[in-house]
Amino acid sequence: DTAVSQTPKYLVTQMGNDKSIKCEQNLGHDTMYWYKQDSKKFLKIMFSYNNKELIINETVPNRFSPKSPDKAHLNLHINSLELGDSAVYFCASREQGNSPLHFGNGTRLTVT
Amino acid sequence: GNSVTQMEGPVTLSEEAFLTINCTYTATGYPSLFWYVQYPGEGLQLLLKATKADDKGSNKGFEATYRKETTSFHLEKGSVQVSDSAVYFCALNDGGATNKLIFGTGTLLAVQP
Repeated sequence: DTAVSQTPKYLVTQMGNDKSIKCEQNLGHDTMYWYKQDSKKFLKIMFSYNNKELIINETVPNRFSPKSPDKAHLNLHINSLELGDSAVYFCASREQGNSPLHFGNGTRLTVT
Repeated sequence: GNSVTQMEGPVTLSEEAFLTINCTYTATGYPSLFWYVQYPGEGLQLLLKATKADDKGSNKGFEATYRKETTSFHLEKGSVQVSDSAVYFCALNDGGATNKLIFGTGTLLAVQP
C-alpha cells in the first residue's frame, strides 16, 4: 500500500506543451507539498496546501498551478513547458506540527 | 531566515568505516531537526529526528544529537555498509504559519566494498 503515490513516474515532453502530475496520499494527512529537485539534488519547495487551502506559494513561475480537489490529492499542472523545468518533482504529505514529511517516489520530467 | 548547511559530498568510504556528515543550522528558537535519506530512484525517507536540545535521534545504526550550543546535528554511523550508499539530507522545521521543512543541499555517500 503506497502511502504517497505520484503519476506518472517519467514524463518526456517537448517545449511549449502543457502537462500534469498527479499525487494522492492515503495517510489521512492534512498538508501536502510539491518540491522540485534539480540535477544537483537540491530540493526547493514550490507549494503547500493544508486541507485544500494554499498556504505556501514560493517564487514559482505562474506557469505552474497546483490544484487540490480534496485533502488527499494535490495535482500540479505546468503550462508552456521550458527546458529549465526538467527536474524530478516530489509530492509529500505530513500531519500538522513537527511531524515528518512522507514523500512519493518522484516524477522525472524531461523537456526536450 | 532559517537555514541548514551540510557538508558537500561526495563522501566515499570503504565498508565498515566510520561515517560523519556535518550539519549546522541557523534558526530562531528551537526547531525540530531531521535527517532524510534518498536511495537511487526513490523519494526521501525519514531516517531520524530530534525535537529538542540534547535529544539523540537514532535509526538503523545512524545517530545524530541536537546540539544547541554548536547549532549542529551531525549524522554518524559506526560501521557503514554498501547498502548505505545514498544521498543524505539534513532538514529543520521552519515553524511559523507555514511550518515548512527547509532542507540542506544533500550529501552523497558512496560506500565501496
